[in-house]
Amino acid sequence: KAGVTQTPRYLIKTRGQQVTLSCSPISGHRSVSWYQQTPGQGLQFLFEYFSETQRNKGNFPGRFSGRQFSNSRSEMNVSTLELGDSALYLCASSLFQGSYNEQFFGPGTRLTVL
Amino acid sequence: AQRVTQPEKLLSVFKGAPVELKCNYSYSGSPELFWYVQYSRQRLQLLLRHISRESIKGFTADLNKGETSFHLKKPFAQEEDSAMYYCALSAGNNRKLIWGLGTSLAVNP
Repeated sequence: KAGVTQTPRYLIKTRGQQVTLSCSPISGHRSVSWYQQTPGQGLQFLFEYFSETQRNKGNFPGRFSGRQFSNSRSEMNVSTLELGDSALYLCASSLFQGSYNEQFFGPGTRLTVL
Repeated sequence: AQRVTQPEKLLSVFKGAPVELKCNYSYSGSPELFWYVQYSRQRLQLLLRHISRESIKGFTADLNKGETSFHLKKPFAQEEDSAMYYCALSAGNNRKLIWGLGTSLAVNP
């Protein structure tokens, strides 16, 4: 069974631009969660989507948004990029909604904001 | 506030020695706790969860509600245990995962 895939793997943007990251979950998994990972803050939960609906949201500004499609693929968008948005963005899928279910992680997208 | 603390950023032991990676949490309700591991050049993956009360790769972790801890233990460390270990808490009405900053375990030959 193919694992979680994320595209692109690396991205360089400048301040003020916007970016869209993509995540394809494991086949059959309906929940997709997004995390931001930085050296100082570690892993921080962004949001979770299940059946095309956002079910859970972390403490991030409205510049961070996402969506999920009918095939469970998910996209995350960050508008008006700031230097502090530079991070590794991880996507994880699970069979069911809720973080107590085993999360299967993708390789991440490394975003650098200049 | 809900919080997970892993007090050691780096832990270095010799092969065959016992290892304990510490995890303390702050949560007033009934917690669900996990250990995730990331080996070099691999993805983050679940190692074990407290509710399963299982031993994976020789590792065990016991939830101590009195001390609000969920330490990960292994009696005899192996070189292949070298990895980054993260403790995570599923808490609150929305059950989102709250992560510790991780402990890098180095097992020396």
